[in-house]
Amino acid sequence: EPEVTQTPSHQVTQMGQEVILRCVPISNHLYFYWYRQILGQKVEFLVSFYNNEISEKSEIFDDQFSVERPDGSNFTLKIRSTKLEDSAMYFCASSPQDRDLTYEQYFGPGTRLTVT
Amino acid sequence: DAKTTQPTSMDCAEGRAANLPCNHSTISGNEYVYWYRQIHSQGPQYIIHGLKNNETNEMASLIITEDRKSSTLILPHATLRDTAVYYCIVSLGPPQKLVFGQGTRLTINP
Repeated sequence: EPEVTQTPSHQVTQMGQEVILRCVPISNHLYFYWYRQILGQKVEFLVSFYNNEISEKSEIFDDQFSVERPDGSNFTLKIRSTKLEDSAMYFCASSPQDRDLTYEQYFGPGTRLTVT
Repeated sequence: DAKTTQPTSMDCAEGRAANLPCNHSTISGNEYVYWYRQIHSQGPQYIIHGLKNNETNEMASLIITEDRKSSTLILPHATLRDTAVYYCIVSLGPPQKLVFGQGTRLTINP
């Protein structure tokens, strides 16, 4: 069964460094998302992406964050200058197109980002 | 996005049906009810969704009241692997985001 994959599974970085989290969505999906979950807290939406542009972004997704679909398969989240509070599990998700317009989102296993 | 209310936690015996309630009294006519679950710190997993009719798939059944103000997710024969946090989410569908609440922590006991 097709699945969303994410790399790396765990990333440790120093405060102020740039990180790129990578995702490979399911191949025929058209909508892509990033969410994050700080330890012990709710899953929070960051950004949605469709047709090579951002559809919606949350207040968390400030100028330090960017997303890109550099080729036909990868979907990346970049954090330019990481802060301690960026430490979280980051989940990528994708959605198919459905004639009934009732799409479910398929989530990857997540990347645990630890900022020290 | 309509808000949902779920019990914080529930217990169920293995092999029995687990019934997870959700209130969504402010749901609008074109919003769907989605259920996801999260096992440990894994990525959320889609379970089922519906608009107004009851739905069933290989994982679960979804019962939506006639006024659509509440719903119940039913896991017919719960196993230990069903221990997870279950989220009831109301959404218009893509590209709209999913708004996760605290969910219900379901523990299946042997």
